[in-house]
Amino acid sequence: QQQVKQSPQSLIVQKGGISIINCAYENTAFDYFPWYQQFPGKGPALLIAIRPDVSEKKEGRFTISFNKSAKQFSLHIMDSQPGDSATYFCAASKGSGTYKYIFGTGTRLKVLA
Amino acid sequence: GAVVSQHPSRVICKSGTSVKIECRSLDFQATTMFWYRQFPKQSLMLMATSNEGSKATYEQGVEKDKFLINHASLTLSTLTVTSAHPEDSSFYICSARGGNRGAEAFFGQGTRLTVV
Repeated sequence: QQQVKQSPQSLIVQKGGISIINCAYENTAFDYFPWYQQFPGKGPALLIAIRPDVSEKKEGRFTISFNKSAKQFSLHIMDSQPGDSATYFCAASKGSGTYKYIFGTGTRLKVLA
Repeated sequence: GAVVSQHPSRVICKSGTSVKIECRSLDFQATTMFWYRQFPKQSLMLMATSNEGSKATYEQGVEKDKFLINHASLTLSTLTVTSAHPEDSSFYICSARGGNRGAEAFFGQGTRLTVV
């Protein structure tokens, strides 16, 4: 009930291509779904987040697609750049500020120049 | 985004000594702070959740006497690794949530602990 499953584990994309990372959750009480980007030796940084009342949210080259009925959400990185090479984590939580985040297992993205 | 400052960024200590890691929210009141441990190429493993002024809630399998967490104010939480051993070597990351920042959680830069 508390798991967030993330795939793929690793991804290689050509520069300019689209990177797609998928996550699935089980607990229907979750109502906040952020994506984090982490570079080696650094803490995660919030990229974009979505709530279940919308099916899509776009910020620059990053888009979250959300399918409430399937309990799935995905991150799309358009026009992928070598600087996007990092590890990406999806997460799920309840909107309350005190509730913990449940993280996916991470996706290591490499964008080839 | 909000700023969460964690330090030290790196620390090397001798086996048997204690190490304190600080986590500060610089521009918002962090009602809740989380401490994570991350092994190479793995996800973040939640160690404990601390609410300001309350005792921390530890995840199953995390020794509360070994990893002491204090959240004495809305802007500061500390993690003390007591009697550190080489197997405690890891990347520790704090996260803060609350105040006027709603559901968002902001992470510190992480601390690389090496116990020799």
